[in-house]
Amino acid sequence: GAVVSQHPSWVICKSGTSVKIECRSLDFQATTMFWYRQFPKQSLMLMATSNEGSKATYEQGVEKDKFLINHASLTLSTLTVTSAHPEDSSFYICSAGHRDPATDTQYFGPGTRLTVL
Amino acid sequence: DQQVKQNSPSLSVQEGRISILNCDYTNSMFDYFLWYKKYPAEGPTFLISISSIKDKNEDGRFTVFLNKSAKHLSLHIVPSQPGDSAVYFCAASIAGANNLFFGTGTRLTVIP
Repeated sequence: GAVVSQHPSWVICKSGTSVKIECRSLDFQATTMFWYRQFPKQSLMLMATSNEGSKATYEQGVEKDKFLINHASLTLSTLTVTSAHPEDSSFYICSAGHRDPATDTQYFGPGTRLTVL
Repeated sequence: DQQVKQNSPSLSVQEGRISILNCDYTNSMFDYFLWYKKYPAEGPTFLISISSIKDKNEDGRFTVFLNKSAKHLSLHIVPSQPGDSAVYFCAASIAGANNLFFGTGTRLTVIP
């Protein structure tokens, strides 16, 4: 079965620094990747949709200059949290899907816990 | 390899009947399980969870059953309503760890 990995699984950084989180699809080509942030009560907020070779589509309220997304290849998408602040501390999860809109199958990564001091 | 599996990509149920969504896992270290509901273009919304010390947890129309020996959990929705139509994901975690492992989802369609 398809596997999606995330690296790192957890990171602690100082306020004002930038942190990069990688999302890789290990055995399939992911034309579309999604980035989520977990909020209290454990629901996941969709932050952006990343399509290979094109600019990411950000959801309303998500600052694209703060959360930089790059989907340079069919197996890798990165999320960079720039000038991180304590309020950015959260659990970030990516998922990879297929281009076919008829399928809802998504393969989730295991998540990255970001703590900004 | 996928540690959490939802082998049925879709399920159709008549309104008023019971919907049963299934989920299997392979890692015996998992001790906390969650079900999420997802609408298109939105993030998964937390629905219900269960700890491994329990075998059943109920919240209104939603009940989750856990069978640890079979490494299987299921979500029962009764009675099913058209508004329940969505994609349902199960997820599992290990207490104290930073990871959350999801299944690939099951699309539930409740027919009026």
